[in-house]
Amino acid sequence: GAGVSQSPRYKVAKRGQDVALRCDPISGHVSLFWYQQALGQGPEFLTYFQNEAQLDKSGLPSDRFFAERPEGSVSTLKIQRTQQEDSAVYLCASRAGRTEAFFGQGTRLTVV
Amino acid sequence: TQLLEQSPQFLSIQEGENLTVYCNSSSVFSSLQWYRQEPGEGPVLLVTVVTGGEVKKLKRLTFQFGDARKDSSLHITAAQPGDTGLYLCAGGRGSGGSNYKLTFGKGTLLTVNP
Repeated sequence: GAGVSQSPRYKVAKRGQDVALRCDPISGHVSLFWYQQALGQGPEFLTYFQNEAQLDKSGLPSDRFFAERPEGSVSTLKIQRTQQEDSAVYLCASRAGRTEAFFGQGTRLTVV
Repeated sequence: TQLLEQSPQFLSIQEGENLTVYCNSSSVFSSLQWYRQEPGEGPVLLVTVVTGGEVKKLKRLTFQFGDARKDSSLHITAAQPGDTGLYLCAGGRGSGGSNYKLTFGKGTLLTVNP
């Protein structure tokens, strides 16, 4: 497809389990962003990539969160030892240059 | 911490009514964006305003950026059921490529009843 694709759409994890969330950005988009959206809240910035370089990871809530984009295309957000407070929708967005950023549908993570 | 306050938080109106939602901050932003988000979807950009006092129109939607670039409003004329959704404002700082770390408000959940 032509849009940002995220998988899985839904993920249920037991507390303490590791999860990996995938983002396929729009082809050719240099910039990639991850946001976390808790229920009833607006999205909050997690991290930003320009190609394969992670230029800003100031929004990652703890060292259990790790993101990578090794070849400057697909990105993975990994959460280790998930906790209940990690339950949220994780949104990925990509952008070409200084133009509009396009968001994916998100991955809804529920930690039980 | 949400630096952008949106009001009202919830709004339920009848088809054909007009409405205004607000986005306020004590901080200055270099740009402000409005998004609409439907259930199970990511936010979709409606408009970007960058100049203090700027007014942009998109069909029945009118967006205004405050003179001091701290606040914005979205006015919808003759609302339709298809306008139902979560309206988010997001402020950006910096210019061009550095303007990536958007700060979002909590949103206004609009329901337009037929």
